[in-house]
Amino acid sequence: GAGVSQSPSNKVTEKGKDVELRCDPISGHTALYWYRQSLGQGLEFLIYFQGNSAPDKSGLPSDRFSAERTGGSVSTLTIQRTQQEDSAVYLCASSLDKNQPQHFGDGTRLSIL
Amino acid sequence: RKEVEQDPGPFNVPEGATVAFNCTYSNSASQSFFWYRQDCRKEPKLLMSVYSSGNEDGRFTAQLNRASQYISLLIRDSKLSDSATYLCVVNKERFYFGSGTKLNVKP
Repeated sequence: GAGVSQSPSNKVTEKGKDVELRCDPISGHTALYWYRQSLGQGLEFLIYFQGNSAPDKSGLPSDRFSAERTGGSVSTLTIQRTQQEDSAVYLCASSLDKNQPQHFGDGTRLSIL
Repeated sequence: RKEVEQDPGPFNVPEGATVAFNCTYSNSASQSFFWYRQDCRKEPKLLMSVYSSGNEDGRFTAQLNRASQYISLLIRDSKLSDSATYLCVVNKERFYFGSGTKLNVKP
């Protein structure tokens, strides 16, 4: 389809392992966001990519979290040495530019055992 | 202080009722404004953009008051399917989401 695609849909892993989450934005969208949402809570901003500008990393909760966006398209969010408190739904969104509304993927549900 | 503040609710209303949500934002230089809807265990979806002149989409009306820095959403003739969490969103260099207002429409 033409929407934002995230993979995997679900990920279960043991505490201490590294995980990589992938986001394919809508083609042509220059802005890409990562959010985290715990059950019953609001969206927590993680990181924002806009074109070729330096990303806004101000929402990353610790240095275990990192993200990159290659070629201005696909993005990966990496969590190293996962902890149980990292369990959440990780949502990716993209927009045509920084002022246009965002469109979200279905999210990756991450469970840390 | 949060960039965007919303009453978490829940708002429990009967079918057919009119319900209004407000949210306030802290940055007077904010540039664009939106309402999103999020169903339980689903991703947020754009409901409508918000303009100073006010805009309407069927049963939904959104309004922006820049002087008072608040945004409103009015839902007329509520349907059971309107039950969801409504997120107020403000854009200034990047997007800022409110925590959402939960709406339950009862038969």
